[in-house]
Amino acid sequence: EVVLTQSPGTLSLSPGERATLSCRASQSVSSTYLAWYHQKPGQAPRLLIYGASSRATGIPDRFSGSGSGTDFTLTISRLEPEDFAVYYCQQFGSSSYTFGQGTKLEIK
Amino acid sequence: EVQLVESGGGLVQPGRSLRLSCAASGFTLSNYWMHWVRQAPGKGLVWVSRINGDGTYTTYADSVKGRFTISRDNAKNTLFLQMNSLRAEDTAVYYCAKDSRAGSFDYWGQGTLVTVSS
Repeated sequence: EVVLTQSPGTLSLSPGERATLSCRASQSVSSTYLAWYHQKPGQAPRLLIYGASSRATGIPDRFSGSGSGTDFTLTISRLEPEDFAVYYCQQFGSSSYTFGQGTKLEIK
Repeated sequence: EVQLVESGGGLVQPGRSLRLSCAASGFTLSNYWMHWVRQAPGKGLVWVSRINGDGTYTTYADSVKGRFTISRDNAKNTLFLQMNSLRAEDTAVYYCAKDSRAGSFDYWGQGTLVTVSS
């Protein structure tokens, strides 16, 4: 099973700042099958990025994804108040899906 | 508009069974793989199971294999998860999710809480 490790565990930033979240895989992951979600308290997760770098429907262009192999990054260029949430990366491979443990993005 | 609405959660004793349902609308259910993903209180997301469009192929996480069964009724636009031999560690919010055809989940329901406790 591919283990995804996200860092940092918590990221404290202010609105308007740039956020960089990391997702490292225990073995190489196909970029085609690497996704990012965020989840606000009491809500279901929402797909942000799929295929490592493609934005999902309705996702603003301040969200961008990059990376390949074992290292992937989600960047939020200028934080808006609604961006503060928990972020998860997720991969698919060998008929199994795994999520990272999450990064909490909190208001500083 | 795609909508997924789960139901069937509740409080159940260890060793008992529960069946979850997920009513789908806004898309042709039979054209998509569907999934169940769960989240224990205060914890992260864990994929549970998936089923292909016509219900002939299923996959499970090791933690639920042999105890849970995923199925679907495309005529009734509904996905199911039959959960048997429930354990305390199965306590979680269970989400149904639509496959994006890119190894990810593009639409999620609001979730239904399953609590396994005596």
